[in-house]
Amino acid sequence: DGGITQSPKYLFRKEGQNVTLSCEQNLNHDAMYWYRQDPGQGLRLIYYSQIVNDFQKGDIAEGYSVSREKKESFPLTVTSAQKNPTAFYLCASSISSRIAGPTDTQYFGPGTRLTVL
Amino acid sequence: GQQLNQSPQSMFIQEGEDVSMNCTSSSIFNTWLWYKQEPGEGPVLLIALYKAGELTSNGRLTAQFGITRKDSFLNISASIPSDVGIYFCAGTTSGTYKYIFGTGTRLKVLA
Repeated sequence: DGGITQSPKYLFRKEGQNVTLSCEQNLNHDAMYWYRQDPGQGLRLIYYSQIVNDFQKGDIAEGYSVSREKKESFPLTVTSAQKNPTAFYLCASSISSRIAGPTDTQYFGPGTRLTVL
Repeated sequence: GQQLNQSPQSMFIQEGEDVSMNCTSSSIFNTWLWYKQEPGEGPVLLIALYKAGELTSNGRLTAQFGITRKDSFLNISASIPSDVGIYFCAGTTSGTYKYIFGTGTRLKVLA
């Protein structure tokens, strides 16, 4: 089945520790994204990547880091510099509009809930 | 970051009623997307719209791409209990790789 997987579903971290959230897609999409969602709020963009070995900061990148070494994978590291990391993290992907033309569509993974103790 | 204005913020309706919600933007988009999110899950794509004036259905759901390209509407007909969730709109412009999201409409259906 094609789709986006995120692991783990639930993650607990002690204050001051770095933690890495996994995101894998087998949709052959060029672009991948990380969003943060807080209770009762919309989605805020952390980082996005248009192609392998390239990524850009979103609206709330401070305290986070990413890598894009493979097309299928876009892991997110929540560092100890992130002041309020407890949130629901969503990974998404979309096909490059350079290929698909004006048919941009973004698909989401199931999410990882991170709780800092 | 920019967010789209989505209304209403929440709705409590009786089973069988129709539902309407909308999204407005200060910017022009060439794609509008509608998602549904259930608690603890990722948003699921419901409908994608790519042309101004386009009207697209997915079962009991119908969405329209506003003619000004600055708004979109989602209607749910004959609501059922499993329609409960948060509905988000999103807009994007080709080549920008950035999707702008609405603040969400929380729908509750009373049986």
